[in-house]
Amino acid sequence: DAKTTQPTSMDCAEGRAANLPCNHSTISGNEYVYWYRQIHSQGPQYIIHGLKNNETNEMASLIITEDRKSSTLILPHATLRDTAVYYCIVRAPYNQGGKLIFGQGTELSVKP
Amino acid sequence: NAGVTQTPKFRILKIGQSMTLQCTQDMNHNYMYWYRQDPGMGLKLIYYSVGAGITDKGEVPNGYNVSRSTTEDFPLRLELAAPSQTSVYFCASSGQGQIYGYTFGSGTRLTVV
Repeated sequence: DAKTTQPTSMDCAEGRAANLPCNHSTISGNEYVYWYRQIHSQGPQYIIHGLKNNETNEMASLIITEDRKSSTLILPHATLRDTAVYYCIVRAPYNQGGKLIFGQGTELSVKP
Repeated sequence: NAGVTQTPKFRILKIGQSMTLQCTQDMNHNYMYWYRQDPGMGLKLIYYSVGAGITDKGEVPNGYNVSRSTTEDFPLRLELAAPSQTSVYFCASSGQGQIYGYTFGSGTRLTVV
């Protein structure tokens, strides 16, 4: 399973863009990058995922480098409710169970 | 529109007792997963299943057992509870195909004393 590396913590001012980096240098060609977040002790919440193209949805944007060895999650206008632990995960292919192996994540604090 | 339902939400066990954590999903997902999360840590995969009758070990399977007799249900069994199994347990399910993310349940908080 490909490993990911994220900063332990980050701060962001409310209303500004939050840019969360992730390194996944051992990613394979058919493995997707997923982002989840966890608020307090709730179940993790799906945010976005991608293979090699940049992706955008109503929550966030995902920028994947051309060599696919790193990615950045962008929350365009962070609010206090975006304070959470953000996990960047490389998902195993479906013939290997489609597993999500969580790392430690980045604790994002959005401040007024 | 229930999604993934876990029961119970809270439980206190004595050392050596046994219990089953229940997980049910109503989305006809083939893939189901059990995770545990210790305080201040990320989630660790215990067991997973790619369909009825098929299960496999994850990162931390010792002390647990699972079964998958139906598509909907994926119970997790603790046979001899130990203090090290004090944790929050999350069940998740996923459709097949990369367009699907996981849907997580709300968790079961287990304390072993």
